[in-house]
Formats: sequence, structure tokens, C-alpha cells
Amino acid sequence: AQSVTQLDSQVPVFEEAPVELRCNYSSSVSVYLFWYVQYPNQGLQLLLKYLSGSTLVESINGFEAEFNKSQTSFHLRKPSVHISDTAEYFCALKRSSGGYQKVTFGTGTKLQVIP
Amino acid sequence: EPEVTQTPSHQVTQMGQEVILRCVPISNHLYFYWYRQILGQKVEFLVSFYNNEISEKSEIFDDQFSVERPDGSNFTLKIRSTKLEDSAMYFCASSDPPADTQYFGPGTRLTVL
Repeated sequence: AQSVTQLDSQVPVFEEAPVELRCNYSSSVSVYLFWYVQYPNQGLQLLLKYLSGSTLVESINGFEAEFNKSQTSFHLRKPSVHISDTAEYFCALKRSSGGYQKVTFGTGTKLQVIP
Repeated sequence: EPEVTQTPSHQVTQMGQEVILRCVPISNHLYFYWYRQILGQKVEFLVSFYNNEISEKSEIFDDQFSVERPDGSNFTLKIRSTKLEDSAMYFCASSDPPADTQYFGPGTRLTVL
């Protein structure tokens, strides 16, 4: 069985400050890792993903995440947040074998950017 | 950019009634999924669908639920006799081979009274 743990349910941070949203996972098989973002009253949007290759992956809006296999982590970081980054962020994983494998989500972290 | 669409955005129904939630996956995708998110809880997998049959389903997906791809573009989730605890946001997702990444729709909020 696989699981995703997001220990921080809410993270308040001042605008232009850096932020890290923590994600740890557990799996006995090889997995792909994802961060999805849910803006208020909207659906889930893919933010970034790690499938293979470079362990550091980036999004188009300045977020990055690093896959750390030894620590089973996939933390999300941004050096300087904007008000528009206020949203709920979900870490997720999927088995890397089998195309139809389900995505397992963490409980989410609400990022509140304070002006 | 292609996207998954879902209708309606909000559905209100009486307990015991049947509801059908509709999704239009991204056009070249072959794998389809339904997830749900009860208010304040995590997103949970319900079912995956490929080649006109269910590939995997969770324990939540009991006999009250069914899925169908009635034509070349729509993918539906039917709940035969809704319960209060079915109130949730339902997300449709799709992916293309090799199905590494699932793309989600905006969701349908189902409220059962």
C-alpha cells in the first residue's frame, strides 16, 4: 500500500517570503510524484511532477520540488510567494507501473499568503 | 490547452434519487477516472476505466455506483440511490498512454438533502 503524508494542514506566510510545503510518502514499489493545486472554488490543477530523471522539477510559476528517495520526501518550495499563490496544495503519488493506477493524495496544505 | 470538463458544476438532489455526473475527458486520452472529496477530507479514488471496462475500483465504489462511456466523448458516473454521505465534490480525470499523469476536471459539487 502507498500513502502520502502532509504534516502541515495550514501554512501562513508573508508575501515575498520563501515557503516550503512538506510531503513524505511511503511505498514498497516505484512511484511517480505530483503536486496538485486547488485554488478557491476551483478544481485540481497539476503543478509539477516527478517521473524520472533530474530529481529537481520546476513549475512555470516559480515552484520547485525535489525528489529525495532516501528520505522519501517530495517537498515543494518557492523562494518568494505572491498573494495569488493562496490555495490548497496536494502532494500525490501513483505507481509507476500500470497505466490505470490510481493517484493517492495527501490531506492537503492550505497556503495562506499574507499581504 | 485541452482540458477535462464536467457538468453540472453543482447538483442538488433528494436522498434516494438517482444522479448522473458527466465528464468530457481530453480527446486523445484513453484512461478515465472518478475521484471524490468530502468536505474537509482528502481526495479519494473511486474507479478507473479503460477499454470500456472498469480497471480498478475502491471499496467506496459499491453497487450504488456505475460508470459508462456512452459515446466517444462522454464519461459518466451514476449513483442509483443517493445517500446523505454521498455529498461531496466529484472529480473526473483522464490520462493518455502511458498514463503517467492524470488531468482533473473542475469537479461537480453534489449535495444530497
